[in-house]
Amino acid sequence: AQSVSQHNHHVILSEAASLELGCNYSYGGTVNLFWYVQYPGQHLQLLLKYFSGDPLVKGIKGFEAEFIKSKFSFNLRKPSVQWSDTAEYFCAVNQDTNAGKSTFGDGTTLTVKP
Amino acid sequence: DAGITQSPRHKVTETGTPVTLRCHQTENHRYMYWYRQDPGHGLRLIHYSYGVKDTDKGEVSDGYSVSRSKTEDFLLTLESATSSQTSVYFCAISGPLQGMSSGNTIYFGEGSWLTVV
Repeated sequence: AQSVSQHNHHVILSEAASLELGCNYSYGGTVNLFWYVQYPGQHLQLLLKYFSGDPLVKGIKGFEAEFIKSKFSFNLRKPSVQWSDTAEYFCAVNQDTNAGKSTFGDGTTLTVKP
Repeated sequence: DAGITQSPRHKVTETGTPVTLRCHQTENHRYMYWYRQDPGHGLRLIHYSYGVKDTDKGEVSDGYSVSRSKTEDFLLTLESATSSQTSVYFCAISGPLQGMSSGNTIYFGEGSWLTVV
């Protein structure tokens, strides 16, 4: 069975600092990879996704992620965070055959101090 | 945002009572899912559907049942609510569109907060 591990449960940064959130998955086959963001009291929204092609994926709000197949990783990055980036971030993985049987990481809470 | 509506958005119910949560989509997507979100557990799949009257269990299906009689509606029923089912429930949808063949991105509804007392 596939699994997703997010290394940091809670990250605290100051505004303008750079962000990198780790995500590793365990599955040897072809996978699709996602990052979702959940602002306080809201639902999960898609930040970016990787299906194939260029392993560096750009998403909304200045976020990007890099798929490194040899490391089974899909880390999320942002060069300069803002207070409005305070949220919980989820990494997810699925396979082509059934999108909904996705596996989510436990989430990383990001707090950005003004 | 995808056209997903969950109802009710907030509910308090007593232990032992049945509860039904409704998910309605206007996107004609084939797949629909129910997840629950709890602190320390992330998102866990309860049940999912890959078409009308086609449903299957997820990883935490005990105590829950689902029905999908129309493409646009996916109902989650707690047959006899327990305090352990206090949670936030998210409906989600994904492609392909009915009659088409691809699509993997999941879109989430706004959530239903359920408290069982």
